[in-house]
Amino acid sequence: GENVEQHPSTLSVQEGDSAVIKCTYSDSASNYFPWYKQELGKRPQLIIDIRSNVGEKKDQRIAVTLNKTAKHFSLHITETQPEDSAVYFCAALLLTGGGNKLTFGTGTQLKVEL
Amino acid sequence: EAQVTQNPRYLITVTGKKLTVTCSQNMNHEYMSWYRQDPGLGLRQIYYSMNVEVTDKGDVPEGYKVSRKEKRNFPLILESPSPNQTSLYFCASSPDTHNEQFFGPGTRLTVL
Repeated sequence: GENVEQHPSTLSVQEGDSAVIKCTYSDSASNYFPWYKQELGKRPQLIIDIRSNVGEKKDQRIAVTLNKTAKHFSLHITETQPEDSAVYFCAALLLTGGGNKLTFGTGTQLKVEL
Repeated sequence: EAQVTQNPRYLITVTGKKLTVTCSQNMNHEYMSWYRQDPGLGLRQIYYSMNVEVTDKGDVPEGYKVSRKEKRNFPLILESPSPNQTSLYFCASSPDTHNEQFFGPGTRLTVL
């Protein structure tokens, strides 16, 4: 099965700085990699995703990069703001025989300090 | 309003007493899934369903059952709950597997 490792588990940055969260996956057959943000007491919400045929994707201050050879993908947040403080989860979708299993990383608690 | 609903939102029960957590979506989504969230472990998939009458095990299916008799509903059943099933549970739905999953508000379950 798939195994997704996420680092760091906690990250503290100053407002305006950049934040980078990294994930590795084990199964080269995985082909879809979403990132979810979960604010305190709220449900997870998708912020960006990338498919295996793309190396990089940007959406305003957020970008995701994918290195299929090395089996790792990263989330980049530029010009961080206090409202970026949350837990971020990466995930990898594995196409199993007849099914599609989504495996999440263990999360990164991002704190943006004023 | 497009949404995923779960009931109950909070539940305290005792070991061995069967319970069902309901999940319903009004977006005509094919794919539905159940997750549990525990501190330090992230979100772990319990079961998922690609379509009506099609369900499959996720990473932590032991002690749980699901059914998908209608497209909009995907209940999670704990036949004999145990304290290690104390957790925060999320239901989610999406048009297909390669799309955004819309999560429900969560159900906080405590098994004594």
